[in-house]
Amino acid sequence: SAVISQKPSRDICQRGTSLTIQCQVDSQVTMMFWYRQQPGQSLTLIATANQGSEATYESGFVIDKFPISRPNLTFSTLTVSNMSPEDSSIYLCSVLRTDTQYFGPGTRLTVL
Amino acid sequence: RKEVEQDPGPFNVPEGATVAFNCTYSNSASQSFFWYRQDCRKEPKLLMSVYSSGNEDGRFTAQLNRASQYISLLIRDSKLSDSATYLCVVNKGESNYQLIWGAGTKLIIKP
Repeated sequence: SAVISQKPSRDICQRGTSLTIQCQVDSQVTMMFWYRQQPGQSLTLIATANQGSEATYESGFVIDKFPISRPNLTFSTLTVSNMSPEDSSIYLCSVLRTDTQYFGPGTRLTVL
Repeated sequence: RKEVEQDPGPFNVPEGATVAFNCTYSNSASQSFFWYRQDCRKEPKLLMSVYSSGNEDGRFTAQLNRASQYISLLIRDSKLSDSATYLCVVNKGESNYQLIWGAGTKLIIKP
């Protein structure tokens, strides 16, 4: 398995501001991912966080809005920039280990 | 058509009963299939992978039907603790780590 922590666990933010979410894994992993889950909906992959290079974004997500850092094999950050109420969601960090995806506890974001 | 479709439920089932739900997928090239469980306000956790020949893990049985492009999950002797949302997950076909997630089927086990 994998032990994953995320900070913050929740936040309430004002429109137009930015929030950076941190994800820490207990040991090195090659693949790290960032997902979004809006209420009552499925998980949507935002991007794959690549160590030492730019993240790979899914259709509909762009670096300017969701910049991602991956400075090493145990840590990543996702920033939600210039937030609007539509960004209110749960943001989940995930890692791939032995062909299984494990998730962090999520960050519950509310944008007013 | 959604890439992965599930009946959202909720399925209200008495304790001890057997319940089954299906999930359909659209990409015939998909090779990896999973059921995840998500409790309210918690992160998803892997319940079981789904293999071509079908597989069982205790009270849980998963089946894959490639011809009709669906997978199923059967829960026998349901427990109150089985109440959760069950997420059907399928890989994108060309990648074994890019996953497509169903919206989930909500299961409520009643005493």
